[in-house]
Amino acid sequence: DAKTTQPPSMDCAEGRAANLPCNHSTISGNEYVYWYRQIHSQGPQYIIHGLKNNETNEMASLIITEDRKSSTLILPHATLRDTAVYYCIVRVSSAAGNKLTFGGGTRVLVKP
Amino acid sequence: DTAVSQTPKYLVTQMGNDKSIKCEQNLGHDTMYWYKQDSKKFLKIMFSYNNKELIINETVPNRFSPKSPDKAHLNLHINSLELGDSAVYFCASSHRGPRNYGYTFGSGTRLTVV
Repeated sequence: DAKTTQPPSMDCAEGRAANLPCNHSTISGNEYVYWYRQIHSQGPQYIIHGLKNNETNEMASLIITEDRKSSTLILPHATLRDTAVYYCIVRVSSAAGNKLTFGGGTRVLVKP
Repeated sequence: DTAVSQTPKYLVTQMGNDKSIKCEQNLGHDTMYWYKQDSKKFLKIMFSYNNKELIINETVPNRFSPKSPDKAHLNLHINSLELGDSAVYFCASSHRGPRNYGYTFGSGTRLTVV
């Protein structure tokens, strides 16, 4: 699976949009971009994933650049409960043998 | 509630003991996983089963033995526990193939070996 690079930490103001960048310059054509987050002491939580089109769900939006070498997770209105470590992962979706490999992630602190 | 559930949530035991952690999912997924999160907070996959068949076996001491009696259950048995086994262990499940919309994780089992 392709490696990803994320900033180790970032702060965000409550109520503002949080934009989390991720670089994945070696991504292959059949690899998806996944985002997960881990709130303190809980299991990781799936947020969103995409292949090349931008995606939006009730939690977040995912913007993938045209060359697919980077992406941005957008939390439109950050709340204190969004404080967590956010992981950007790229992997092939369909094969059972392809594991989800977590890196260091971005520690996001939402401040009042 | 539909979920991945692990038991126990906390486990404190002495070195040398044998212990098991149980995991069950009622999401209808066909693939289950065990992950370990150590004190440095890195999440590392240990094992994966698809329809009761072992498909991923990372470099894990053979004191760790997973067992999947059916595709809804994946248990982890650990023999001769060592101090370094202290960590949080997460179970997860997913669909294999095109319906793979992501993993669902359990809430973790915090194992402390003393």
